[in-house]
Amino acid sequence: QSVLTQPPSVSGAPGQGVTISCTGGSSNIGAGYDVNWYKQVPGTAPKLLIYANTNRPSGVPDRISGSKSGTSASLAITGLQAEDEADYYCQSFDSSLSDHVFGTGTKVTVL
Amino acid sequence: EVQLVESGGGVVRPGGSLRLSCAASGFIFDDYDMTWVRQVPGKGLERVSGISWNGDRAGYADSVKGRFTISRDNAKNSLYLQMNSLRAEDTAIYYCVRDMQGGDWFDPWGQGTLVTVSS
Repeated sequence: QSVLTQPPSVSGAPGQGVTISCTGGSSNIGAGYDVNWYKQVPGTAPKLLIYANTNRPSGVPDRISGSKSGTSASLAITGLQAEDEADYYCQSFDSSLSDHVFGTGTKVTVL
Repeated sequence: EVQLVESGGGVVRPGGSLRLSCAASGFIFDDYDMTWVRQVPGKGLERVSGISWNGDRAGYADSVKGRFTISRDNAKNSLYLQMNSLRAEDTAIYYCVRDMQGGDWFDPWGQGTLVTVSS
């Protein structure tokens, strides 16, 4: 069972925005460890989307953004497009487990 | 172009062994720690094992400790995962990933290789 909890699914119409939460605790996000986000299109490997809470790798559009506060982090996608349909995972480090942990994953559906 | 290509997956009986390989290209391999992450089809991600740039430090998830061994050959730009005493619950897609910033995040990911443990 993952220590980082995400909503199973979120959805929005094209052009609208969605936000995905990643809730952790005092041994991971709340301890100050950075949060990273990955996008996985079904049938393909995950791809880095956001690193160190707010940073976008080259090629990731600026309508995708990350934030972190307290024991949680969020990924926001504005101007939804069909290509945004995918599974999204957060990831951080947990000091109690002494290991990197992934969130439970969220499926984004563009209506 | 930075690329990671896994191989060695397949079908194996419970209790059997398998060795996964990952060929790296497009970057200085021995500058980076490396990691194996697995995913049961349709489920979430689990970090299986990681190894330091020179191979002198390795870590394992509790679920595979004592059964799996990670190694690397920097002269061949290759990462390996020796999997012994395989169980049905080890069935998953195994991804080879590069650790960034000392392992804070993972980029890029290989295409994955499927391991199926079944009698």
